[in-house]
Amino acid sequence: KAGVTQTPRYLIKTRGQQVTLSCSPISGHRSVSWYQQTPGQGLQFLFEYFSETQRNKGNFPGRFSGRQFSNSRSEMNVSTLELGDSALYLCASSSIPGADTQYFGPGTRLTVL
Amino acid sequence: LAKTTQPISMDSYEGQEVNITCSHNNIATNDYITWYQQFPSQGPRFIIQGYKTKVTNEVASLFIPADRKSSTLSLPRVSLSDTAVYYCLVARALLSGNTGKLIFGQGTTLQVKP
Repeated sequence: KAGVTQTPRYLIKTRGQQVTLSCSPISGHRSVSWYQQTPGQGLQFLFEYFSETQRNKGNFPGRFSGRQFSNSRSEMNVSTLELGDSALYLCASSSIPGADTQYFGPGTRLTVL
Repeated sequence: LAKTTQPISMDSYEGQEVNITCSHNNIATNDYITWYQQFPSQGPRFIIQGYKTKVTNEVASLFIPADRKSSTLSLPRVSLSDTAVYYCLVARALLSGNTGKLIFGQGTTLQVKP
């Protein structure tokens, strides 16, 4: 069974731009969560989606948004990029919402210049 | 969810057994202890999970004393490829209001030397 895939793997943007990251969960998994990882703040929860609905949200500004499609694939969007948004963005999937065992993808490394 | 405390870093040599201890003094009755492993520039990988006593799988063992205020991840005969960051998490049981939000601490950076 294929694991969680994320595209693109690497991305370079400039301040003020926006970016969309994509995540395809493990086949059959309907819950997708997003995390941001930085050297200073570590791994922080962004949001969780299940059945196309946002189920939970972390403490991030409204510039961070996401959505989930009917095939469980998910996207997250960051608008008006700031230098501090440079991070590894990780997507994790699970078979059911609220599962404490999540399967992570390789991440998207975003660099904001 | 209970806050976890674990050593920032540990060193070991190939072939040795490594034990990483995590403190979670305020763990609740419905909480499980879960460990993840993360290699540089990769997503965390689930290693093992337990509620009490001892759990063993093909990768590691997890020891949890009766009071559940701490837990120890044991990696038998480590190799260079075990060099990674190890996270201890306390996660609420699914049927007890788990929001699906994993809270990661700083983790323990394990360096295995030849």
